[in-house]
Amino acid sequence: DGGITQSPKYLFRKEGQNVTLSCEQNLNHDAMYWYRQDPGQGLRLIYYSQIVNDFQKGDIAEGYSVSREKKESFPLTVTSAQKNPTAFYLCASTRGSGSYNEQFFGPGTRLTVL
Amino acid sequence: AQSVTQPDIHITVSEGASLELRCNYSYGATPYLFWYVQSPGQGLQLLLKYFSGDTLVQGIKGFEAEFKRSQSSFNLRKPSVHWSDAAEYFCAVADTGGFKTIFGAGTRLFVKA
Repeated sequence: DGGITQSPKYLFRKEGQNVTLSCEQNLNHDAMYWYRQDPGQGLRLIYYSQIVNDFQKGDIAEGYSVSREKKESFPLTVTSAQKNPTAFYLCASTRGSGSYNEQFFGPGTRLTVL
Repeated sequence: AQSVTQPDIHITVSEGASLELRCNYSYGATPYLFWYVQSPGQGLQLLLKYFSGDTLVQGIKGFEAEFKRSQSSFNLRKPSVHWSDAAEYFCAVADTGGFKTIFGAGTRLFVKA
């Protein structure tokens, strides 16, 4: 079955550590997205990528980094520069790069900073 | 800039009762509008979308939504709620000139027996 996988489901980090969240899709989608979800705030866009080897900052990119070396993979690194990283992180993909496309979401990774 | 407002943080309805979740958007042109549903600890799933044409759109799981340009609204409805509908619902508007989708803060639905 096609879909998006995110790992790990739960992640704990000590302050000052970088962590990388995995996102893989086998839908052959061109565009991929990372969102952060906090209670009562909906989803906020961190980064997005329309094609391989290209990505753009979203609304809250500070303290995060991404790469898109393969079409199916879009890992997110939460760096120590992110002051409040505890949140639920969602990865999504769309077949085309336009915003009118339906977004397909992974199950999410919950990151907790200890 | 585009924005989406979901006025109700949470709503409780009895099983079998009708449901309406409110969504208001701010956008200059004809928007692309979506409703997504999220079960606890999961990703989002598309319920329905509106791009143009008939202002009443049907979605999955028995949901429908009506686009009202004069009110800048895109409310989600279901005639009879099931306990399995308990989840968080997000209204979203797409940036038709770019690549972003703007999500509302969400409305959490509780269903009581």
